[in-house]
Amino acid sequence: AQTVTQSQPEMSVQEAETVTLSCTYDTSESDYYLFWYKQPPSRQMILVIRQEAYKQQNATENRFSVNFQKAAKSFSLKISDSQLGDAAMYFCAYLRYGNKLVFGAGTILRVKS
Amino acid sequence: GAGVSQSPRYKVAKRGQDVALRCDPISGHVSLFWYQQALGQGPEFLTYFQNEAQLDKSGLPSDRFFAERPEGSVSTLKIQRTQQEDSAVYLCASSPTDEVHNEQFFGPGTRLTVL
Repeated sequence: AQTVTQSQPEMSVQEAETVTLSCTYDTSESDYYLFWYKQPPSRQMILVIRQEAYKQQNATENRFSVNFQKAAKSFSLKISDSQLGDAAMYFCAYLRYGNKLVFGAGTILRVKS
Repeated sequence: GAGVSQSPRYKVAKRGQDVALRCDPISGHVSLFWYQQALGQGPEFLTYFQNEAQLDKSGLPSDRFFAERPEGSVSTLKIQRTQQEDSAVYLCASSPTDEVHNEQFFGPGTRLTVL
C-alpha cells in the first residue's frame, strides 16, 4: 500500500521569505501523480500544484514550486515570497489506482508579519 | 460556476442515531469521492463513484457506513447507529472524468460530532 509521510507537523515563515515543506512517499509503482493541497481554516481543500511522475521537470505555479526526486521518493513544496494568505494546513497526496488520493498527515504553515 | 457543496455543514448526533450527509458535486462531473478527516489528520478515502456505480468502497470503516449516488449526481453518505469514533469531517470531492490525473475538487465538508 502507498504511504505518504510529512515529517514537519508545523512550520513558520516570515512574510516575503521562502519556506520548504517536506514530503516523502512509498510506492512500488513507476507511474503516478503527486499533489500538494492547501486547506485554510474554512476547510475547503484547494489544489496548489501537481506533478506527474513520468515528467522529470519540476512543476511550478507562480510562487509555488516542487522539488521532485523520484529515486528518493521525495516531493517537497517551496513557497517563495510568502504571504499572509498562505497560512493554512498543507497536505501532500499520492494518486494512482482507483483514483483515490492518499494523503499525508499535513503541515501547518504559519506566516508571520 | 458553483463548486462542490455539502450539507449540513455541521451535524451533532447522539450516539446510536442515524445520520445522512449530502454532497452536490460540480454539475456534469463523472467521479465522486468521499473522504473522512479526523481532527488534525489528513483525509482518508472512504468510497468512489463513477456516475451511479460505486466502484470502490474499500475505505468504509464498517457496515454501518453506506453511500449511494442513484442518479449519478447527488450523493448521500449514511452512517447508522453512530459511535463516538465516527466524529470527523466528511469531505466530498468530484472530478470531471474517470481519468486518473484529473484534479479532484473538494467541498467544504460536514463536521460530524457524536456525543
